[in-house]
Amino acid sequence: EDQVTQSPEALRLQEGESSSLNCSYTVSGLRGLFWYRQDPGKGPEFLFTLYSAGEEKEKERLKATLTKKESFLHITAPKPEDSATYLCAVQAVEGGSNYKLTFGKGTLLTVNP
Amino acid sequence: EPEVTQTPSHQVTQMGQEVILRCVPISNHLYFYWYRQILGQKVEFLVSFYNNEISEKSEIFDDQFSVERPDGSNFTLKIRSTKLEDSAMYFCASRGGKPGREAFFGQGTRLTVV
Repeated sequence: EDQVTQSPEALRLQEGESSSLNCSYTVSGLRGLFWYRQDPGKGPEFLFTLYSAGEEKEKERLKATLTKKESFLHITAPKPEDSATYLCAVQAVEGGSNYKLTFGKGTLLTVNP
Repeated sequence: EPEVTQTPSHQVTQMGQEVILRCVPISNHLYFYWYRQILGQKVEFLVSFYNNEISEKSEIFDDQFSVERPDGSNFTLKIRSTKLEDSAMYFCASRGGKPGREAFFGQGTRLTVV
């Protein structure tokens, strides 16, 4: 069974204080690892897809990296508007043609001004 | 920018009643999904739909659930006889054709069963 574990559950930062969120995964064969942002009461908003170990993707203050067992979401000099829950999800090769996502519980990030 | 649209945003229903949650996926997408998120818990897969049929369903998706794509644009989730434990946010998602492509989610329908 595919499993995704995210840590920490919650993270509070001061504006400008860089940090990283972790996503550890166990999957039979990784087709893709996805990062989403979720604001309260809203649907997940796509951020990145990573496909193979060593891959990195960047968008504004966010940078996602992937190893064979985990992914990191690095947040550089965060701003209050970066406050949200960040979700990690995996898509397994053995999922056949369904490409369903298995999500972690997320990390609630709060950035104080 | 294309987006997935869900209606209603909030639905309150009596236990035992039927509800239909509606979704308009992104127009050129081929794979459609329903996920749900109980308050404070993780987003869970319910069902995937491709080529006008269910391609996979989770253990949660029992006989009280059904999905339909009645025309070329809408995708619906029906819960026949709602239970208190069905209270959750329900998200529709759609995805393009290439393997590994990201899914795009709607804003969700908050279902409250009383």
